Amino acid sequence: DADVTQTPRNRITKTGKRIMLECSQTKGHDRMYWYRQDPGLGLRLIYYSFDVKDINKGEISDGYSVSRQAQAKFSLSLESAIPNQTALYFCATSDYLGTPQHFGDGTRLSIL
Amino acid sequence: AQTVTQSQPEMSVQEAETVTLSCTYDTSENNYYLFWYKQPPSRQMILVIRQEAYKQQNATENRFSVNFQKAAKSFSLKISDSQLGDTAMYFCAFMVGGGADGLTFGKGTHLIIQP
Repeated sequence: DADVTQTPRNRITKTGKRIMLECSQTKGHDRMYWYRQDPGLGLRLIYYSFDVKDINKGEISDGYSVSRQAQAKFSLSLESAIPNQTALYFCATSDYLGTPQHFGDGTRLSIL
Repeated sequence: AQTVTQSQPEMSVQEAETVTLSCTYDTSENNYYLFWYKQPPSRQMILVIRQEAYKQQNATENRFSVNFQKAAKSFSLKISDSQLGDTAMYFCAFMVGGGADGLTFGKGTHLIIQP
């Protein structure tokens, strides 16, 4: 089984819908992150969390919210999806200072 | 804020050749980490190599090595004896010591290995 699991793998939805992307990990890491990847732009940080009581905005948090339900679970929500949120979304985890981040396989989200 | 620049949107080389991907970054921090990630068509993000800024010695992982020039803020990736499976997007990434702000990525270089 994957260490970092994202669901769903792909999702097509309509403008205005509420969407939740889920991430769970079995690595026991405290730090979890959500990134967005757009063609030609690399990955950009949306939100991150260092523990269940800690939530921090990243570079592009507008239009998104997150919930850290447990150490192992970190979900990303789009309250009212819009077409320019069409992208590939990645969840990642890391242990502590300077350690590499481990990525899930991504969720490809298309908003029509 | 940190920025990472990859100036080569796409590169193509023949199998078995050596190829170097460029990355420069801008930061006022002194304690940081640099990474190269590979993204094959399967879209997974795979760590290739990691460099701590406080280490002068360049990191190596099998066929992959880096040329880290701290004063020039340069962090290039060299792939030796390139293989067809090396075809992928390669992203350079920066993280401040402590990882407080997550990773800052460059826009990527699409590397194509020709048979």
